[in-house]
Amino acid sequence: SQTIHQWPATLVQPVGSPLSLECTVEGTSNPNLYWYRQAAGRGLQLLFYSVGIGQISSEVPQNLSASRPQDRQFILSSKKLLLSDSGFYLCAWRHRGGIYNEQFFGPGTRLTVL
Amino acid sequence: GEDVEQSLFLSVREGDSSVINCTYTDSSSTYLYWYKQEPGAGLQLLTYIFSNMDMKQDQRLTVLLNKKDKHLSLRIADTQTGDSAIYFCAVPNSGNTGKLIFGQGTTLQVKP
Repeated sequence: SQTIHQWPATLVQPVGSPLSLECTVEGTSNPNLYWYRQAAGRGLQLLFYSVGIGQISSEVPQNLSASRPQDRQFILSSKKLLLSDSGFYLCAWRHRGGIYNEQFFGPGTRLTVL
Repeated sequence: GEDVEQSLFLSVREGDSSVINCTYTDSSSTYLYWYKQEPGAGLQLLTYIFSNMDMKQDQRLTVLLNKKDKHLSLRIADTQTGDSAIYFCAVPNSGNTGKLIFGQGTTLQVKP
């Protein structure tokens, strides 16, 4: 069966510090991978998605970047965090191709920027 | 682009039925999804319906799809306190990009 991991689970960082959040998927190959942010009391905002190693599409201009160094690894980064980067970050995967679009989510990382 | 709308809050009493509504704009969707998010957790796929169906029932859950009106609903029968969560409807983005467009989420509060 497939599983998706995110770490860390929670993170408190000062403004201006760097960020690295990691997401890994097990039990599948060539997944599409997604990073979402959920601000407090709000819906999901798609930040990045990837259809393959080194292939990243950015959905919104922002202070963040993403990388996919391996097939089942997706990393969200920032060089200098802003207060507005606080939120709940969710990674998700789906099978590539076909008509099935359901995405499967990780447990999330709660980021607080102070 | 695709737009998905949900009401933000619903409060029911334990044992009553809950109905969460969702409207969307794009008509080319294949599967449409409902996700559940419990406090502090990721999203869990709850159920889905294929666009050529009007209704799908799965134990206490009933999904209704009115394709003409582009309206999707999730009915939870005999709502329990454990059903308290945020419920998201999600619709595939047009153009088969593999992206899902999520509604804002409906917070369901179940009172004992």
